[in-house]
Amino acid sequence: EVVLTQSPATLSVSPGERATLSCRASQSVGTNLAWYQQKPGRSPSLLIYGASVRATGIPASFSGSGSGTEFTLTISSLQSEGFAVYYCQQYNKWPITFGQGTRLDIK
Amino acid sequence: QVQLVESGGGVVQPGGSLTLSCSASGFTFSSYGIHWVRQAPGKGLEWVAMLNSDGHAQYYTDSVKGRFTISRDNSKNTVYLQMNSLRVDDTAVYYCAKDLKTGWTNYMDVWGKGTTVAVSS
Repeated sequence: EVVLTQSPATLSVSPGERATLSCRASQSVGTNLAWYQQKPGRSPSLLIYGASVRATGIPASFSGSGSGTEFTLTISSLQSEGFAVYYCQQYNKWPITFGQGTRLDIK
Repeated sequence: QVQLVESGGGVVQPGGSLTLSCSASGFTFSSYGIHWVRQAPGKGLEWVAMLNSDGHAQYYTDSVKGRFTISRDNSKNTVYLQMNSLRVDDTAVYYCAKDLKTGWTNYMDVWGKGTTVAVSS
């Protein structure tokens, strides 16, 4: 199966600052990668699909990039609602797999 | 609005069985694939199974193959997850999630609130 490794495990950022989250795949997944946000006690929500396409209603402060095995989620100017856990997910090959998550904390 | 509601969770002994349901509303249910994703306490997300729109293509993660069966009744706008031979490590919140587009994309754009399954003696 495709293993997704996210780094860092935890990232502490001050409000208004930029956050960069990474996701590395154990084999190429092309651009078949999505990013999800999960706030405490809530269900995950889709942010990005196709590596760089924002889902409906997602602000431009969220952007995704990358292809193959290296992917990045960038959140510019973090607001309070951005502090959450972020997961990458690949769907290039069965089984679908998720990364272990990056927790974004307030510094 | 588009909504998914899971039910059927509970406490079950190891080796037991449970059937989860995912009831959908607000969209043309028969046109979309549906996924089950689980989250063990304090852990990350784990994809469990997927069933395409007409119910003829199903996929599972290796750890549940032969034990779990995903099915759907498009007349009732409901997807089911039959879980047999349950193990302690199946303990989790189980979410159902809708595929983003008709056909098959494997992105999940709408999620239910989840139902909790606890496997314990």
